[in-house]
Amino acid sequence: DGGITQSPKYLFRKEGQNVTLSCEQNLNHDAMYWYRQDPGQGLRLIYYSQIVNDFQKGDIAEGYSVSREKKESFPLTVTSAQKNPTAFYLCASSRQGTDTQYFGPGTRLTVL
Amino acid sequence: KQEVTQIPAALSVPEGENLVLNCSFTDSAIYNLQWFRQDPGKGLTSLLLIQSSQREQTSGRLNASLDKSSGRSTLYIAASQPGDSATYLCAAPFFSGGYNKLIFGAGTRLAVHP
Repeated sequence: DGGITQSPKYLFRKEGQNVTLSCEQNLNHDAMYWYRQDPGQGLRLIYYSQIVNDFQKGDIAEGYSVSREKKESFPLTVTSAQKNPTAFYLCASSRQGTDTQYFGPGTRLTVL
Repeated sequence: KQEVTQIPAALSVPEGENLVLNCSFTDSAIYNLQWFRQDPGKGLTSLLLIQSSQREQTSGRLNASLDKSSGRSTLYIAASQPGDSATYLCAAPFFSGGYNKLIFGAGTRLAVHP
């Protein structure tokens, strides 16, 4: 089955810790995205990557970092510099040149 | 700058009602608009994508319309069912930094009760 997976489903972080959220896709999509969703708000773009070994900051990149070493994988690290990281994080992918994005099931991050 | 607004924020209806969800956008120079469904604690599922050359797009009991001149799109759900209960989000593209990114509305949370 082709699809996009995220792990873990739930993640708890102590203050001052870095954590990494996994996103993997087997759809052969070139483009991948990370969004943050807070209650009552729409999705906000954190980072995106249109091709392997290249990525760009979105609207709220501060306190986050990404890598794109493989086409299938786009991990997101939430660093200790992110002051309010508790949120629902969604990963998506799309074919190059199209707007239809396919979303993973999300990771809920909670800071203890 | 593109801003997307959805009204109402929440809606509760009895089963069987026909209903309309509204989405408005500020930059009318869009070439498509998308509607997504999100179940609680889950990712987004694409429902309909309307190209600017189309005025409507239909899938089963769902019908989405797009009026670029007024900056509005509507999602019409016919004969609503409890299984339709979810949050519905619309998203419009915005070209920025050499890339077309999606700008999402905050969503309409729909509850259909038996």
